[in-house]
Amino acid sequence: EAGVAQSPRYKIIEKRQSVAFWCNPISGHATLYWYQQILGQGPKLLIQFQNNGVVDDSQLPKDRFSAERLKGVDSTLKIQPAKLEDSAVYLCASSSLVVLGSDTQYFGPGTRLTVL
Amino acid sequence: DQQVKQNSPSLSVQEGRISILNCDYTNSMFDYFLWYKKYPAEGPTFLISISSIKDKNEDGRFTVFLNKSAKHLSLHIVPSQPGDSAVYFCAMGGANNLFFGTGTRLTVIP
Repeated sequence: EAGVAQSPRYKIIEKRQSVAFWCNPISGHATLYWYQQILGQGPKLLIQFQNNGVVDDSQLPKDRFSAERLKGVDSTLKIQPAKLEDSAVYLCASSSLVVLGSDTQYFGPGTRLTVL
Repeated sequence: DQQVKQNSPSLSVQEGRISILNCDYTNSMFDYFLWYKKYPAEGPTFLISISSIKDKNEDGRFTVFLNKSAKHLSLHIVPSQPGDSAVYFCAMGGANNLFFGTGTRLTVIP
């Protein structure tokens, strides 16, 4: 069974530029998550999708971050414009059940973003 | 406000001995608890989980213990192997969110 795919693996941009990350979850997984992991910290949830609908985006900085999952499968996370403090690893995860807390999330390898 | 704390950033253990990783939390509404293992340049990999109705779950060399009254979660690895060297994150959730600790780097010395 293929795991969660993410691209690109690494990205270096200058502040105020835009960047987009792509995620393809495990086949059949209805729930998709985007996390931000800053160096030395644990992953922090940015947004959770159930199929193509948003379940929780309370910690997404909506003035600069956006995410979509139009067909309920792949997802993109965009930052526009980027700030220095956005430097982090962006992790995508997926799970098969609706209710968080009763199923396991499987993570992709992450995209390491460096903002100069 | 850190709801999940892993107070030991690193741990070194001799091969064959027991590794004990600890995690403390503040939110009594958490009802599902997990441990993830992370190698460099890879995403976290699920290791083991436990629900709040249990106090112990075992899977091979890995055992997770939950003490709800103390709000304490631990992971025991016995015997420890060099391949277990990685960063271990505890994670826990309830309704719509999963909170992670800051991680403990385990080094198993051959």
